[in-house]
Amino acid sequence: GNSVTQMEGPVTLSEEAFLTINCTYTATGYPSLFWYVQYPGEGLQLLLKATKADDKGSNKGFEATYRKETTSFHLEKGSVQVSDSAVYFCALKRGPDKLIFGTGTRLQVFP
Amino acid sequence: GAGVSQSPSNKVTEKGKDVELRCDPISGHTALYWYRQRLGQGLEFLIYFQGNSAPDKSGLPSDRFSAERTGESVSTLTIQRTQQEDSAVYLCASSSNPTGGGYTIYFGEGSWLTVV
Repeated sequence: GNSVTQMEGPVTLSEEAFLTINCTYTATGYPSLFWYVQYPGEGLQLLLKATKADDKGSNKGFEATYRKETTSFHLEKGSVQVSDSAVYFCALKRGPDKLIFGTGTRLQVFP
Repeated sequence: GAGVSQSPSNKVTEKGKDVELRCDPISGHTALYWYRQRLGQGLEFLIYFQGNSAPDKSGLPSDRFSAERTGESVSTLTIQRTQQEDSAVYLCASSSNPTGGGYTIYFGEGSWLTVV
């Protein structure tokens, strides 16, 4: 069945460090891929998405590229800020099927 | 409304009582989801409604859990005979055009349930 695997956290970084959060997926066909973010005390919100192979989603300095050959959608940011501290969820959806989330990765950024 | 609305935002209930959680999706959204998130953990899929299709109930953890949706509007998640392990945030989400690419799923703020 379809599934998403994320790297375990927490990921702890200093401000201005480079961030990578790994996400790989298993799915038949061509799913759409998403990153959602949950800031402390807030609800989930969409960060970025990609709907086909080689698409790059980007928002707020974050990027992720849909890599079909490696079935990956790693999240990257060149220079993190304290305000990026949150839990990040990778997710996939194929056609009319339900949205499937990874387990989430907590990012902690220290000044 | 402008977003997905959930009520109550917080609920404390005694073990063994029944609870109902309500979700008002964004108007026009045909797809509606319920997820559960225990403290410090990931999102656990519960149930998915898509238009007039039979709901995907594969994530409901036990027969104490049930959900209904009236047409393409309000949904109610019911937990009977609550247990302490039911304590979690229950998240509702909705989307339009779920069979197409590029759509966005919008989440509500969640209903925090505490079973004491």
